[in-house]
Amino acid sequence: DQQVKQNSPSLSVQEGRISILNCDYTNSMFDYFLWYKKYPAEGPTFLISISSIKDKNEDGRFTVFLNKSAKHLSLHIVPSQPGDSAVYFCAASVGRNYGQNFVFGPGTRLSVLP
Amino acid sequence: SQTIHQWPATLVQPVGSPLSLECTVEGTSNPNLYWYRQAAGRGLQLLFYSVGIGQISSEVPQNLSASRPQDRQFILSSKKLLLSDSGFYLCAWQRQTRYEQYFGPGTRLTVT
Repeated sequence: DQQVKQNSPSLSVQEGRISILNCDYTNSMFDYFLWYKKYPAEGPTFLISISSIKDKNEDGRFTVFLNKSAKHLSLHIVPSQPGDSAVYFCAASVGRNYGQNFVFGPGTRLSVLP
Repeated sequence: SQTIHQWPATLVQPVGSPLSLECTVEGTSNPNLYWYRQAAGRGLQLLFYSVGIGQISSEVPQNLSASRPQDRQFILSSKKLLLSDSGFYLCAWQRQTRYEQYFGPGTRLTVT
């Protein structure tokens, strides 16, 4: 049973436009969420996180929105740049132990077209 | 600054052979350490995590094992590899009071 879902395996966006990556979860106990970006043959790099006590967190071009009632979070990238082309993973955790029990989604491949 | 090293970068091993992947972290102490596997087209699967020397928790039953002989060293091992062990293996570290995990460059393992 997949507790964290990213239903779009891939997404293509024009450079300069907004990229919206979606993530849904089933476990209502999850209370901390992170987004990671991964280039081929490299380890993921941390992008942005959000606690369940917030509904929005912003860091430069990246904003994460959390809708707890819908068990849904999204990552917005504005404006999108070709260097943003990568696989994006969302991860969720129950807050105890600072996320030793993270569950990752399968990832969405973002392609930003020049 | 902190850095995390993994080696080897790529490995091709026959079925039934042993495995040893090593991960070391520099620039921090008492990190939580993690081993993940990413199978082709799949997300990251947590295999093992450690909150201290000699303390290993396993998330998935398998023919793999992990050890933490030193504070900043984490080793993934197998006595006999299976074809299904092929994948991209990632080590990560985390400060004990933070959520973010920082990943190494990974090891591509192909079992033939």
